[in-house]
Amino acid sequence: EAQVTQNPRYLITVTGKKLTVTCSQNMNHEYMSWYRQDPGLGLRQIYYSMNVEVTDKGDVPEGYKVSRKEKRNFPLILESPSPNQTSLYFCASSLGQGGWYEQYFGPGTRLTVT
Amino acid sequence: DQQVKQNSPSLSVQEGRISILNCDYTNSMFDYFLWYKKYPAEGPTFLISISSIKDKNEDGRFTVFLNKSAKHLSLHIVPSQPGDSAVYFCAASARGAGSYQLTFGKGTKLSVIP
Repeated sequence: EAQVTQNPRYLITVTGKKLTVTCSQNMNHEYMSWYRQDPGLGLRQIYYSMNVEVTDKGDVPEGYKVSRKEKRNFPLILESPSPNQTSLYFCASSLGQGGWYEQYFGPGTRLTVT
Repeated sequence: DQQVKQNSPSLSVQEGRISILNCDYTNSMFDYFLWYKKYPAEGPTFLISISSIKDKNEDGRFTVFLNKSAKHLSLHIVPSQPGDSAVYFCAASARGAGSYQLTFGKGTKLSVIP
């Protein structure tokens, strides 16, 4: 089954404790991205990657890091989480290098930083 | 500056009637538009898209209309069904400008009442 998986689905952590949210896709997609969804703000892109070792900032990259060492994986790293990073996070992938391609989203990771 | 606007946070419609969800955009470079549907506890899923060279695209009960002069698009669902109850996100891309990003609106929560 073609899918994007994220782990963990739920995470409660404390300020400053480094964490990683994993994302993996099994569709051999080149393009992957991370979004956060906040009430009243919709989906905002954090980072995206056009291929292995190629990443770039989205609209709200501050406080986040990403890496793309393998085509299928695109982890999101919060080196020092803060309460304003409490949010619902989605990983997405698409076949082509462009926002016009249909993006397949993971189920989401709900992060709470206290 | 919000480039994609969904000004109605919520919409309630009777089953069997038409649902009309609206989206406005400000960036004249946007030339490809998508609608995504999101159920609770799931990631968004692609619904329908339209290129700026068209003014209408239809897929079953779903039709998207684009009015470029007004920078406005709408999603029509006819007839509406209870299973259509979800949050709908409008998204736009500047494909012709070589942008790799999707810009999302804040979403409209549709409730279809049986």
